[in-house]
Amino acid sequence: DIQMTQSPSSLSASVGDRVTITCQASQDISNYLNWYQQKPGKAPKLLIYDASNLETGVPSRFSGSGSGTDFTFTISSLQPEDIATYYCQQYDNLPPTAFTFGPGTKVDIK
Amino acid sequence: QVQLQESGPGLVKPSQTLSLTCTVSGGSISSGDYYWSWIRQPPGKGLEWIGYIYYSGSTYYNPSLKSRVTISVDTSKNQFSLKLSSVTAADTAVYYCARGYDGYDGYWGQGTLVTVSS
Repeated sequence: DIQMTQSPSSLSASVGDRVTITCQASQDISNYLNWYQQKPGKAPKLLIYDASNLETGVPSRFSGSGSGTDFTFTISSLQPEDIATYYCQQYDNLPPTAFTFGPGTKVDIK
Repeated sequence: QVQLQESGPGLVKPSQTLSLTCTVSGGSISSGDYYWSWIRQPPGKGLEWIGYIYYSGSTYYNPSLKSRVTISVDTSKNQFSLKLSSVTAADTAVYYCARGYDGYDGYWGQGTLVTVSS
């Protein structure tokens, strides 16, 4: 099984700050990595798919990069509405036969 | 715009079978491009993939749950369903259904809380 780690587990930043979250896979997953945002009491929302592709309608301050085992998610200028928990998710193949989510990163405003 | 809505009992007794249905509107569940997923989230914890199904009936399950999970599809009703047998308190969670494409889930239901308790 592929294991996913995320860091940090939580962070506090000021409005306008650049925020970076990392996700590491236990083995090479190519670019099979997605990022989701989950606000309290809501379903997760897809932000980034295949490591670096911005989902339609998602603000351009969100971005993703990486391949292989190391991935980065960035909010270029943190906004109050970005308060949420962010999850990375890997899949193993196309079509996928298994998915694993990272443990999540909770983002707060300082 | 595709919408998904979970439905089913909010309370299930230990050792019984949890049954949920996801109704899809705004699009056909029979589209060969998509698969239909179940994901869950215990209170205060992270997300766990349960499994998914194509309209053809092909399924893939999380190995840790595979022995207890069945996902089925009813194309005539534009619905797909989850059955999880022999539940325990550890299966208490918010259960989400979602539409997947090429490895990512772009549309999610709002989620439904299922509590396992006697």
